[in-house]
Amino acid sequence: DAGVIQSPRHEVTEMGQEVTLRCKPISGHNSLFWYRQTMMRGLELLIYFNNNVPIDDSGMPEDRFSAKMPNASFSTLKIQPSEPRDSAVYFCASWTDRFTGELFFGEGSRLTVL
Amino acid sequence: DQQVKQNSPSLSVQEGRISILNCDYTNSMFDYFLWYKKYPAEGPTFLISISSIKDKNEDGRFTVFLNKSAKHLSLHIVPSQPGDSAVYFCAASAISNAGKSTFGDGTTLTVKP
Repeated sequence: DAGVIQSPRHEVTEMGQEVTLRCKPISGHNSLFWYRQTMMRGLELLIYFNNNVPIDDSGMPEDRFSAKMPNASFSTLKIQPSEPRDSAVYFCASWTDRFTGELFFGEGSRLTVL
Repeated sequence: DQQVKQNSPSLSVQEGRISILNCDYTNSMFDYFLWYKKYPAEGPTFLISISSIKDKNEDGRFTVFLNKSAKHLSLHIVPSQPGDSAVYFCAASAISNAGKSTFGDGTTLTVKP
């Protein structure tokens, strides 16, 4: 089975540009999570969806960040405009309540904003 | 307010010895705990978990211990192998919202041959 698929794996952009990160969760999983990993703040939850509906976006740092999940197989995290402090690794994870409850992470998207 | 803390950023052990990674939590609502392992340039992968009704869970070389009164859990790896060198994250959640996990900052384990 394919795992969680994220794209792009690496993104280098200039300050002020729009960045879109994409995620395809594992088929059949009903929840999707976006995490950000930085040296200063570790792994922090940005937002999560349950059955395509945003449940908790309290971790989204500011209005420049937005996330959507138009269907069960696709989600995007958008940053507009991007800033150097947004540089981090962004992970998408999916989850199902049918098993023991662990998250399945993608390989991450490393974002560098110059 | 960091609800899950891993106070040791790094740990170095000799191959064949025991590795003990520690984690503390503050939120009494947490009742499900997980450990994840992360290699460079990869996403975290699930390693082992424990619910609050248990105080120990074992899977091969990996054992997780939970001390609810102290709000402390630990991961024991015996014997440690060089391939165990990775970042280990402790995570906690409430069974009522099991998918939403709060992570610690991670501990980098280095196992020397």
